Amino acid sequence: GAGVSQSPSNKVTEKGKDVELRCDPISGHTALYWYRQSLGQGLEFLIYFQGNSAPDKSGLPSDRFSAERTGGSVSTLTIQRTQQEDSAVYLCASSSGRWNGYTFGSGTRLTVV
Amino acid sequence: DQQVKQNSPSLSVQEGRISILNCDYTNSMFDYFLWYKKYPAEGPTFLISISSIKDKNEDGRFTVFLNKSAKHLSLHIVPSQPGDSAVYFCAASAGSQGNLIFGKGTKLSVKP
Repeated sequence: GAGVSQSPSNKVTEKGKDVELRCDPISGHTALYWYRQSLGQGLEFLIYFQGNSAPDKSGLPSDRFSAERTGGSVSTLTIQRTQQEDSAVYLCASSSGRWNGYTFGSGTRLTVV
Repeated sequence: DQQVKQNSPSLSVQEGRISILNCDYTNSMFDYFLWYKKYPAEGPTFLISISSIKDKNEDGRFTVFLNKSAKHLSLHIVPSQPGDSAVYFCAASAGSQGNLIFGKGTKLSVKP
């Protein structure tokens, strides 16, 4: 597609359940990033995939968070045993190179009740 | 410890006047800086960037200034338009890292 696609756009889940968030990056973009934005906060880096290299997981807030990128394309962010503090907008971005900036998707708004 | 700081959470400007959004950073290894604009319920969109070898970059109504000695950059919008009302994020990266570090954003309101 022409842009970065994220699904679902909204997700309401009960505390303790697992959720999966999906990101389809722009075709050909080798780098893929996950960020989240909590209410009133900036964009918090979570994880970064670059080509076939091992991902940079340094931003993941706990071991309940994990992400995969299959075939160098689609990525799934999984949150296990969700907590209320996980409620945020989860944003995915892709890039074709450091000097080309990022293209963001519209995000998934996750609400944990 | 915030490496990229936007100390003004909001800014209100009259249509036609200049909007100046400020950003400070602490990491001297940052060599690439970007501004993103975000409307509600949408992802951030890229606006303008500058590398550390420059001190100014201009694109239409938008100009970014970089003062490396002060570790400060600013975004100027002239003239401001009501459609510019959005949250503006400053971001930075260093050659040694792959990800962008974002500030908390400044909400700009341009009043007709």
